[in-house]
Amino acid sequence: QSALTQPPSASGSPGQSVTISCTGTSSDIGGYNYVSWYQQHPGKAPKLMIYEVSKRPSGVPDRFSGSKSGNTASLTVSGLQAEDEADYYCSSYAGNSNWLFGGGTKLTVL
Amino acid sequence: EVQLVESGGGLVQPGGSLRLSCAASGFTLSDYWMHWVRQAPGKGLVWVSRVNKDGRSTTYADSVKGRFTISRDNAKNTLYLQLNGLRAEDTAVYFCAASDSLAFDIWGQGTMVTVSS
Repeated sequence: QSALTQPPSASGSPGQSVTISCTGTSSDIGGYNYVSWYQQHPGKAPKLMIYEVSKRPSGVPDRFSGSKSGNTASLTVSGLQAEDEADYYCSSYAGNSNWLFGGGTKLTVL
Repeated sequence: EVQLVESGGGLVQPGGSLRLSCAASGFTLSDYWMHWVRQAPGKGLVWVSRVNKDGRSTTYADSVKGRFTISRDNAKNTLYLQLNGLRAEDTAVYFCAASDSLAFDIWGQGTMVTVSS
């Protein structure tokens, strides 16, 4: 049960796009279309931003999008805004009713 | 308002026990699988445990298997986590989360568990 791999940090200027990767294995990301992404501001609970690889819950701006290729999933934030600065975590179903999270990526809006 | 509220955290000595609760409001708990996820200070999220809708099926991360027990009382709209044999490395904020489509849709605000002598 190793954690998924995310870059520790990412950054972009307002209005730009940034992509955060999340790498797993064929037993988790590569084996299921159940990748989700979470936004967490300091001291707050995580918030679901993307589920089932690319679906957005109601209320999440369409600036947030998700994709997957092989064992790697990606979250893209377009048109960066100051309020997007937060920690982002990926998660994947890993079979046998087990889940994995990535180590988290701190997104800085320059 | 859809809400999950955790309680029961605190300071406990190594080897001690705690029981966390997670009360749901604004939705029916029995419609969701439920999870516990923890976050050590300054660290990332780690999935801990899951229980299915009727409480009959549970799974655990290897790090807590045999020490933690997840349960639910749908009549009380409440989820529980019994923590036994606590270790320093169990120190974390514990979040409960409601799951649909194998994602964590609804989160509580978390309750802090500190294991220290």
